[in-house]
Amino acid sequence: GQQVMQIPQYQHVQEGEDFTTYCNSSTTLSNIQWYKQRPGGHPVFLIQLVKSGEVKKQKRLTFQFGEAKKNSSLHITATQTTDVGTYFCAGPIQGAQKLVFGQGTRLTINP
Amino acid sequence: NAGVTQTPKFQVLKTGQSMTLQCAQDMNHNSMYWYRQDPGMGLRLIYYSASEGTTDKGEVPNGYNVSRLNKREFSLRLESAAPSQTSVYFCATRRTGNTEAFFGQGTRLTVV
Repeated sequence: GQQVMQIPQYQHVQEGEDFTTYCNSSTTLSNIQWYKQRPGGHPVFLIQLVKSGEVKKQKRLTFQFGEAKKNSSLHITATQTTDVGTYFCAGPIQGAQKLVFGQGTRLTINP
Repeated sequence: NAGVTQTPKFQVLKTGQSMTLQCAQDMNHNSMYWYRQDPGMGLRLIYYSASEGTTDKGEVPNGYNVSRLNKREFSLRLESAAPSQTSVYFCATRRTGNTEAFFGQGTRLTVV
């Protein structure tokens, strides 16, 4: 089964509302990465978290890595229409090179 | 610099036909990957190559074969296409270790 789980699968919000997606792994991860895929596009790297409990911010986006390094979250404050897309987490499973993605959370926004 | 180039961009196959999806990178990256993307399933790893000369199975390798032709090229072959292989296929590369992945534009494959 899927080794990196992500919820929710879909999220629809009004513009200006906040959004959060959660990522969980069955095993401890050495690091976790987040990607964004715009509709019709390809995934693009956003950020990597490495340390236990790490929090990083990119403007309105806040990324957290859990203390046990098994879960992570991405929070967007005050969504804008440019945030539309699918957000994926990804982590190395069974070795640094085997990069496995979660199912993704598709964000749609009502302007 | 083109980055990661996938060919073709679109393909329609009949059940039982074979084809090879090509991926080439000019980033001098060591690791290359093939993923498939289906609605609700996210990106699932088919095969990967940690370095030139090595390939390993991912999460969903059945029905596929790969070849790491050289450092630049990593191809994915469907020997006998099935409707269940209808999907969008992405090639990705990474420099090495725990670095970011760079994706190609994708190949939309339909098997009828």
